[in-house]
Amino acid sequence: GAGVSQSPRYKVTKRGQDVALRCDPISGHVSLYWYRQALGQGPEFLTYFNYEAQQDKSGLPNDRFSAERPEGSISTLTIQRTEQRDSAMYRCASSPIEGAGQPQHFGDGTRLSIL
Amino acid sequence: QKEVEQNSGPLSVPEGAIASLNCTYSDRGSQSFFWYRQYSGKSPELIMFIYSNGDKEDGRFTAQLNKASQYVSLLIRDSQPSDSATYLCAVSVSYNTDKLIFGTGTRLQVFP
Repeated sequence: GAGVSQSPRYKVTKRGQDVALRCDPISGHVSLYWYRQALGQGPEFLTYFNYEAQQDKSGLPNDRFSAERPEGSISTLTIQRTEQRDSAMYRCASSPIEGAGQPQHFGDGTRLSIL
Repeated sequence: QKEVEQNSGPLSVPEGAIASLNCTYSDRGSQSFFWYRQYSGKSPELIMFIYSNGDKEDGRFTAQLNKASQYVSLLIRDSQPSDSATYLCAVSVSYNTDKLIFGTGTRLQVFP
């Protein structure tokens, strides 16, 4: 497909487990963004990359959250020692050009549920 | 004060009417503004973006920006039931980052 691809679509895990969420951006897109969206809210910024470089991680809630994009394409968002409050929809977006104000295109998201 | 504010709605309009969705933002240095449509259970879909003061039209959609008043709006002409969705306003920030700040969204209901 031509869009942003996220996997898995759904993830259910027990509290305390680590989870890894994957994002495959639109081919050729330079910038990749991670957001978290609670029900009835807008997406909340977590972190973003230009190519392989993480530019801003100010939105990561705490040090249990980390992200990488080692080859400038696919990105992984990892949550260690998950807690129930981590349950949310995690969304990835990409844009073809780096820079503030570029339109971002979203994937379908990963619904994470922590039991 | 929230950085991007939207009335949560629902905003109910009859089919064929003009729907007017509003958004205010706090960062006076913001330069880029986006409207996303999100159907229930789906991902946000970009429908409009605007960078300059004034109006920008695309089909039935018009985005309006007033930087002096820190206000951006979306008009939907000839509203259709298929326009029923949540509309998210997103704003770039003025300091050294490319992140977007989203509002909570306005739910639009278009009734036949």
